[in-house]
Amino acid sequence: EAGVAQSPRYKIIEKRQSVAFWCNPISGHATLYWYQQILGQGPKLLIQFQNNGVVDDSQLPKDRFSAERLKGVDSTLKIQPAKLEDSAVYLCASSSHGQGNEQYFGPGTRLTVT
Amino acid sequence: KQEVTQIPAALSVPEGENLVLNCSFTDSAIYNLQWFRQDPGKGLTSLLLIQSSQREQTSGRLNASLDKSSGRSTLYIAASQPGDSATYLCAVVAGQFYFGTGTSLTVIP
Repeated sequence: EAGVAQSPRYKIIEKRQSVAFWCNPISGHATLYWYQQILGQGPKLLIQFQNNGVVDDSQLPKDRFSAERLKGVDSTLKIQPAKLEDSAVYLCASSSHGQGNEQYFGPGTRLTVT
Repeated sequence: KQEVTQIPAALSVPEGENLVLNCSFTDSAIYNLQWFRQDPGKGLTSLLLIQSSQREQTSGRLNASLDKSSGRSTLYIAASQPGDSATYLCAVVAGQFYFGTGTSLTVIP
């Protein structure tokens, strides 16, 4: 089966610019997660979707970050405007039934904000 | 809030050695625990998933144990190989996934 797809793989932008990341989960997986992984740290959950509804976005900086999953399949994560501290790898993951099931991760998008 | 700690942060061993990676968590009310491998510049690859009702899981040369009461999990790697070199992350599921900071493993040929 195809894995979780993410694009782009790398992005370099200047601070105050905006950027968007795309994720396509494994077919049939209802739950989709976006994580931020800063160098040397473990991934931190930004937002979790169940189908097209938000389950948890408590750690999403909503003043600059937004995410959507309109049709309950693929998802986009946007940052506007970007700050230097947003430099990180943004990982997308999916699972079939939420927290009880195994998570499968995409390759990530490495964002550098200059 | 759940906090996950992994010790050591880095480990270097000669090829062929057996080794143990440690993961501890502060709240024993977890749903399950998952071990991942992360290669440089790559995403995470799931290694083992242990449900809260289980004590251990095995896959090939890997064995993961879970002791909820003490808030600990270990990942045992038998007969290590250079290809095992990577960062190993544990994550506990308690409402959401909480990740440790990982152990960077280097297996020296």
